[in-house]
This record gives sequence, C-alpha cells and structure tokens, in this order.
Amino acid sequence: EAQVTQNPRYLITVTGKKLTVTCSQNMNHEYMSWYRQDPGLGLRQIYYSMNVEVTDKGDVPEGYKVSRKEKRNFPLILESPSPNQTSLYFCASISTGDMNTEAFFGQGTRLTVV
Amino acid sequence: GNSVTQMEGPVTLSEEAFLTINCTYTATGYPSLFWYVQYPGEGLQLLLKATKADDKGSNKGFEATYRKETTSFHLEKGSVQVSDSAVYFCALSAPGYQAGTALIFGKGTTLSVSS
Repeated sequence: EAQVTQNPRYLITVTGKKLTVTCSQNMNHEYMSWYRQDPGLGLRQIYYSMNVEVTDKGDVPEGYKVSRKEKRNFPLILESPSPNQTSLYFCASISTGDMNTEAFFGQGTRLTVV
Repeated sequence: GNSVTQMEGPVTLSEEAFLTINCTYTATGYPSLFWYVQYPGEGLQLLLKATKADDKGSNKGFEATYRKETTSFHLEKGSVQVSDSAVYFCALSAPGYQAGTALIFGKGTTLSVSS
C-alpha cells in the first residue's frame, strides 16, 4: 500500500528546543516536499527535494532545514523553533511526469511552540 | 507565473444540495489539474484529476471539467452528504515545471454540510 508516514502526529515544544519531524515514503518517489497549513493561507511549501542530496527552498523556508540522505526519508528540522512556527505540517511524496503527477500526503503533524 | 485561485469559504449547505466550488488557474503551457480533499484530522488525498482540455475528472459523485477557454476547473456535486464536509483544494501541475513547483495549490475551500 502506498504510504507516507509522518511522526509525530502531535507535538508541543518550547521555544528554542530543536526538533525533527520525520517523513518516510514507500513509493520510491524522487520528489518529496514539506508544506505548512495555516488558516486563511492554505498550503505553503517550505522545502522540497528532487532527489537524494538535492534539496531547495520553497516559499517559506526561514527557520527550517531538511536533509535527503536516502530516497525514502525526508526529515524536517527546526533548529530553534519559535511560536510563529506553530502550524500543521504535511509531508508529500510526489510521482512526477507530465501525465502522472500525483501527490501522496502524510497524516500531518500538529506542532505547537510555546 | 503559475497560480490557482479558488473561491473563498466556508461554504455551508444542507444535505442533498448542489455544490459548486470555483477554481481558475494561470499557467504556461497545458497543465494537469487536480482536486484534493482533506477530511478532518487527515492529510490531503486526491479526489479527481484531468490532464488535458475538455477532460472530465470524476470520483465519489464529484465532477470537474477542464475548460481551457475559461482556464477553469470547477468542482461540482449534484447532491452533497454530511460526509462530504471537508476542505477542498484545487491544484495544478504545469508541464516542464521548474524545480520545486511540481504542484501548486489554491488556498482551500471549507465545505460544511448539515443534515
């Protein structure tokens, strides 16, 4: 079964305490992406990766890091979280190709930074 | 650049009412178009898609037709159910997309259906 697994689902943390949200996919996709979802703003892309060791900034990268050491995993790292990073985060694994593009999303991680 | 604009919500309907959620797009070339749905507490999942002009995507009673002349991909359902309450996202994928923009999403429309 095609799956994108994010962990944790819920996280409450304090300002400045480093955290990592993990994302793993089993579809052998090259393209993966992180989004944050905020009321009234929809989905905004944070970072994406087009393949192993290839990552780049999306629309709202400030305060985030990512890595792609292997194809299946794409963790999101918040080195020093701040309250404005309180949000709902989604990882997506995307099959690419002009006629076959489709995104598969994880269940989401609701992060609260106090 | 490429973009998607969809109607603001929330949309509130009674069960069995007709639903339309408008979506228009701007894109270079001939994009593929998608509707994603997000049920409460879940991630987004693909609802339907269309890959070329005049194609109609359909699933679970929902339909959307790719209209190149009006650059639109409106979502419709003839009779909504309470279980259709969710957030709906219109999205596009432009051919030969530049790095990072594999999928561009609208801001989402919240649908609430009451019995």
